[in-house]
Amino acid sequence: QSVLTQPPSVSAAPGQKVTISCSGSSSNIGNNYVSWYQQLPGTAPKLLIYDNNKRPAGIPDRFSGSKSGTSATLGITGLQTGDEADYYCGAWDDSLSTGVFGGGTKVTVL
Amino acid sequence: EVQLVESGGGLVQPGGSLRLSCAASGFTLSNYWMTWVRQAPGKGLEWVANIKPDGSVKYYVDSVRGRFTISRDNAKNSLYLQMNSLGAEDTAVYYCARKNGMDVWGQGTTVIVSS
Repeated sequence: QSVLTQPPSVSAAPGQKVTISCSGSSSNIGNNYVSWYQQLPGTAPKLLIYDNNKRPAGIPDRFSGSKSGTSATLGITGLQTGDEADYYCGAWDDSLSTGVFGGGTKVTVL
Repeated sequence: EVQLVESGGGLVQPGGSLRLSCAASGFTLSNYWMTWVRQAPGKGLEWVANIKPDGSVKYYVDSVRGRFTISRDNAKNSLYLQMNSLGAEDTAVYYCARKNGMDVWGQGTTVIVSS
């Protein structure tokens, strides 16, 4: 049971948009920055979004992040077959004094 | 190039110990918090531990506290994870990552706990 809650899977056709939700509480998302990670099959995770909505260098603007209260959202527009991966949200939890992740969301391009 | 390379994984018997290493290059390790994250087979990411740049503050997930110890040697540009009293539930790929926001990840090292 993950501290942050994500849907197990989302899917859409190429070129379409998907959004992935990440629900937490006041001790994590509500009071700290959220990051998003992409894990392609058989590879290490890669940072996609940090500080709720910032993209590291090299991450296309098709990927976007937002936060409201105790929830965060990752958006992917112009979906491509190369976007098929697992996506995780993460944040610091002040009550646990640990980092926490969501359970991950598998994105499928139909 | 900024890079992290883990090593030290392998097959270990239940109750055994293992020390993982993470070699950093392309940046000054002493400027950053560092984090260990693991992923059990077919499962999601689990945050394990992190350590302040000077090594003075460390945090652990409950499931490893008292068994695992995170440490660092900034002069050697290296991060470590000493794992004791290993159980089957510790079987996973272990990743080191830079910063609490985990902006750089290593390729991972596999730990298998089995008799």
